[in-house]
Amino acid sequence: EIVMTQSPATLSVSPGERAALSCRASQSVSSNLAWYQQKPGQGPRLLIYGASTRATGIPARFSGSGSGTEFTLTITSLQSEDFAVYYCQQYHNWPPSTFGQGTKVDFK
Amino acid sequence: EVQLLESGGGLVQPGGSLRLSCVGSGFTFSSSAMSWVRQAPGKGLEWVSGISPAGGDTPYADSVKGRFTISRDNFKNTLYLQMNSLRVEDTAVYYCARKTSGAAPFDYWGQGTLVTVSS
Repeated sequence: EIVMTQSPATLSVSPGERAALSCRASQSVSSNLAWYQQKPGQGPRLLIYGASTRATGIPARFSGSGSGTEFTLTITSLQSEDFAVYYCQQYHNWPPSTFGQGTKVDFK
Repeated sequence: EVQLLESGGGLVQPGGSLRLSCVGSGFTFSSSAMSWVRQAPGKGLEWVSGISPAGGDTPYADSVKGRFTISRDNFKNTLYLQMNSLRVEDTAVYYCARKTSGAAPFDYWGQGTLVTVSS
């Protein structure tokens, strides 16, 4: 099973600032990496797939990069609606599909 | 608009059973691979089980293998999860999620249904 590790656990950012979230895989997942956003009481929402492709309707301030074992989700100019928990997921070796433990982006 | 609506959660004693349902709309359900993903209170996401569009392929996480059974009714656009021999550690919000193929991200998720296993 591929283990996904996210850092940091919590990222404190002010509105308008840039946030960079990291995700590391225990072995190569090529570009088979997705990022999700989850707000309290809601199911996750797909943001990025294929490591760098934005899902339908996702604003351009969200971008993904990386391949192999190291990945980054960057949110430029954070908006109030972006404060949430973000998860990475590998779907290279499935089953099982595995998730990172999450990074919470909150107000500084 | 794609919608996934889960139901069937509730309070059950350890060792008990529960069946979850998820009704899909706004997309071709019979062509979509589906999964159940759970989230324990305050914790991260854990994939539980998946099913291929025709229902012939049904992998499970080791933590639920032999206790949970996933199935689908493509005529009713409904996904099921039969949960037997429930344990306290199965307490979680259970989400159904769709993907376009086996090795693909989950592009749509439901709102979840809460299962609480407690005496």
